[in-house]
Amino acid sequence: QKEVEQNSGPLSVPEGAIASLNCTYSDRGSQSFFWYRQYSGKSPELIMFIYSNGDKEDGRFTAQLNKASQYVSLLIRDSQPSDSATYLCAVLDNYGQNFVFGPGTRLSVLP
Amino acid sequence: DGGITQSPKYLFRKEGQNVTLSCEQNLNHDAMYWYRQDPGQGLRLIYYSQIVNDFQKGDIAEGYSVSREKKESFPLTVTSAQKNPTAFYLCASTSGGAGQETQYFGPGTRLLVL
Repeated sequence: QKEVEQNSGPLSVPEGAIASLNCTYSDRGSQSFFWYRQYSGKSPELIMFIYSNGDKEDGRFTAQLNKASQYVSLLIRDSQPSDSATYLCAVLDNYGQNFVFGPGTRLSVLP
Repeated sequence: DGGITQSPKYLFRKEGQNVTLSCEQNLNHDAMYWYRQDPGQGLRLIYYSQIVNDFQKGDIAEGYSVSREKKESFPLTVTSAQKNPTAFYLCASTSGGAGQETQYFGPGTRLLVL
């Protein structure tokens, strides 16, 4: 059974701080990795994807991938109260067909 | 506007009733997916389709059925066999290929049992 694990949280950080969200996955053949943000009652919104080892930066967001450790993380710099949401980690399997989602980490940014 | 639409936004089902959730996309994506999300939980795959007239069961297909007669449309029927259908249902489609796939979601349908 392919699994994606995340700390459920809540993770609370003060406004302006760096929020660090972590995710591990079990399928070593996984190819692609995604972070989605989901506000309460809404559908997930894609915020980052990463395919290669290392860091990928997009504005205040940085995704980090370490395939050897089967670990992917998301850093949010200068956290804002509007970043308060649940963050879902997703992994595309090695067949390139199925996305496996983690349970999500709830982030709360305190003003 | 390009995107994925789902209707209705809210759906009420009576005991023993089949209901159908609509999902349409105009993104020209080949692959489409249905997920179920329960409160405080992640997404679980119900069915997916890579091409027209073909679909595969996901992890929790029992009590559900789908069709894929057109590339743009992937309706989900929640049958009376699904004993606990109350959940948030999400339709998604996928762009790209060969390891570059990216998945996008519709706004969701919330199903409630009367």
